[in-house]
Amino acid sequence: GAVVSQHPSRVICKSGTSVKIECRSLDFQATTMFWYRQFPKQSLMLMATSNEGSKATYEQGVEKDKFLINHASLTLSTLTVTSAHPEDSSFYICSARDGHEKLFFGSGTQLSVL
Amino acid sequence: AQTVTQSQPEMSVQEAETVTLSCTYDTSESDYYLFWYKQPPSRQMILVIRQEAYKQQNATENRFSVNFQKAAKSFSLKISDSQLGDAAMYFCAYRINAGGTSYGKLTFGQGTILTVHP
Repeated sequence: GAVVSQHPSRVICKSGTSVKIECRSLDFQATTMFWYRQFPKQSLMLMATSNEGSKATYEQGVEKDKFLINHASLTLSTLTVTSAHPEDSSFYICSARDGHEKLFFGSGTQLSVL
Repeated sequence: AQTVTQSQPEMSVQEAETVTLSCTYDTSESDYYLFWYKQPPSRQMILVIRQEAYKQQNATENRFSVNFQKAAKSFSLKISDSQLGDAAMYFCAYRINAGGTSYGKLTFGQGTILTVHP
């Protein structure tokens, strides 16, 4: 079956630094990828929709200058958390849509900002 | 805007018994998909079952089945013969069936934590 690889699985960084999370579709082309954020024992909240070759569409309330999304190829989308602060600590999950309307999730990234 | 509501924060079931998780949703669309996802402690999202709104027949996948009531906007998940491996957080999700750049965008419910007792 289709696989979406998300890297890193866990990252710890100092406050004020930037962190990049990668989401790769390994065996299919993903024109659209989605980025979600999840707090402990809570739901997944959509942050943004990433479309290959165009600007990402951010959900209301998500700071686009803090959460930079780049979808430069059909198999890779990146989320960069800029100038991270402790309140940005969370679990981030990506999903990718294949050409047959199916969605596949990455394994997630736990970000801890000290 | 579409909303998905899971009113049961936690549920528990004895091994081999049956449990039903509830989900309601609100939408003005007529063509959409509904899903149940399982998130075990590994936090990997696993698709359990999917239902197309235009299909009247309830979807089933082995021990998992749904009760889809379109008019009532209700979509419950029944797990039969519960197993220890079913313990996880379960999310109900909605997706409109329309094209465009946001095609595939999911709206999730709050989640239900299922505990399975041996």
